[in-house]
Amino acid sequence: EVLLVESGGGLVKPGGSLRLSCAVSGFPFTNAWLSWVRQAPGKGLEWVGRIRSKGEGGATDYAAPVKDRFTISRDDSKNTIYLQMNSLKTEDTAVYYCSTELGWGGGDFWGQGTLVTVSS
Amino acid sequence: DIQMTQSPSSLSASVGDRVTITCRASQGIRNDLGWYQQKPGKVPKRLIYAASTLQSGVPSRFSGSGSGTEFTLTISSLQPEDFATYYCLQHNSDPRTFGQGTKLEIK
Repeated sequence: EVLLVESGGGLVKPGGSLRLSCAVSGFPFTNAWLSWVRQAPGKGLEWVGRIRSKGEGGATDYAAPVKDRFTISRDDSKNTIYLQMNSLKTEDTAVYYCSTELGWGGGDFWGQGTLVTVSS
Repeated sequence: DIQMTQSPSSLSASVGDRVTITCRASQGIRNDLGWYQQKPGKVPKRLIYAASTLQSGVPSRFSGSGSGTEFTLTISSLQPEDFATYYCLQHNSDPRTFGQGTKLEIK
């Protein structure tokens, strides 16, 4: 069974930092491209970014609203990806999901999401 | 960035109705489009990928069509469990972009 489990969400003040984790099991992590998607309360879905496999250099891509503030990384020894979020803004408040690469024909798997609230 | 425009933004329908949701891309995306269903408090679930390929396990009353800039999701006979919000997603280029959603409600 494919499982993605996020953790690390919580309440943080504007300007603060938070690191989310996503532990993956049930499929070959080493070759996987993985993404973060967020959803603000009552709003639609927004792609945050992705990390490619180590074999493809582990390169990352980001949406404009988070570029230069958020960093995605991976630890293949732990089958885990991370989302380091710095300089957080109130508009970053959302449920953050990790997922397999959007559009991947091999399947579409999401975690249950973790809520990040940015508020003073 | 490619903009995805869904219509309608909300829709009231009855069990047994045939329903169509449209998604238009601001530029051609070949068939690099998926459709998702999301129920309140739940994780999005992909129904269709590559514009018209039914995800394994999804009922055959769901179908997708289109290519280029115009796409449709059709539910042939609405069931009670289909009342949800539907999103299209383009994965032709970065940034990946979703439509704004179509909320399907019970009439």
